[in-house]
Amino acid sequence: SAVISQKPSRDICQRGTSLTIQCQVDSQVTMMFWYRQQPGQSLTLIATANQGSEATYESGFVIDKFPISRPNLTFSTLTVSNMSPEDSSIYLCSVEEMRLGRDTQYFGPGTRLTVL
Amino acid sequence: KQEVTQIPAALSVPEGENLVLNCSFTDSAIYNLQWFRQDPGKGLTSLLLIQSSQREQTSGRLNASLDKSSGRSTLYIAASQPGDSATYLCAPRSQAGTALIFGKGTTLSVSS
Repeated sequence: SAVISQKPSRDICQRGTSLTIQCQVDSQVTMMFWYRQQPGQSLTLIATANQGSEATYESGFVIDKFPISRPNLTFSTLTVSNMSPEDSSIYLCSVEEMRLGRDTQYFGPGTRLTVL
Repeated sequence: KQEVTQIPAALSVPEGENLVLNCSFTDSAIYNLQWFRQDPGKGLTSLLLIQSSQREQTSGRLNASLDKSSGRSTLYIAASQPGDSATYLCAPRSQAGTALIFGKGTTLSVSS
């Protein structure tokens, strides 16, 4: 299965600043997804990032707040801009991989963000 | 819009018990469904993937069943161990190439 790494693993940031989260995959993948997991909640999809096209954002998430880059088939970044305490969450990237004829999603270890 | 419900929200059992985690989803037109486990503060580990045409899928002590027409899936854990303690998440996918939709999960605690 795809091996996914994220940087940083955790960070504590000040209100009003921005943080860029990196997601690196050890194989080429077409579909990448960014999710947010707020404290005590389940995962919510932020956007879908395909290489060579603009990211597609879910309702409630906008590009100005969460700009995403997808420069190639193994890498993506998510920026959390102008942060507020409400942005404190775990951010996870995931990829879709076809394995034994099945579309399976795999997740990175997550980035734990705390905004003060 | 797909909504996923997992029952119970939390479960505490002694080691060795067999247990069942339930997942229901509102839109039965799914492509496949994955079960994940999440350890506190960590990412997700894929446990089982069950295609819409399948009734069940097994991996070791885990067995996932799917009743697509009724919008239900169950995860059966046999002979539970303390290492099984984690949050279990159910996530259906509507079609290939789309994101998963998650329930809130069932937090399992297995005591020795």
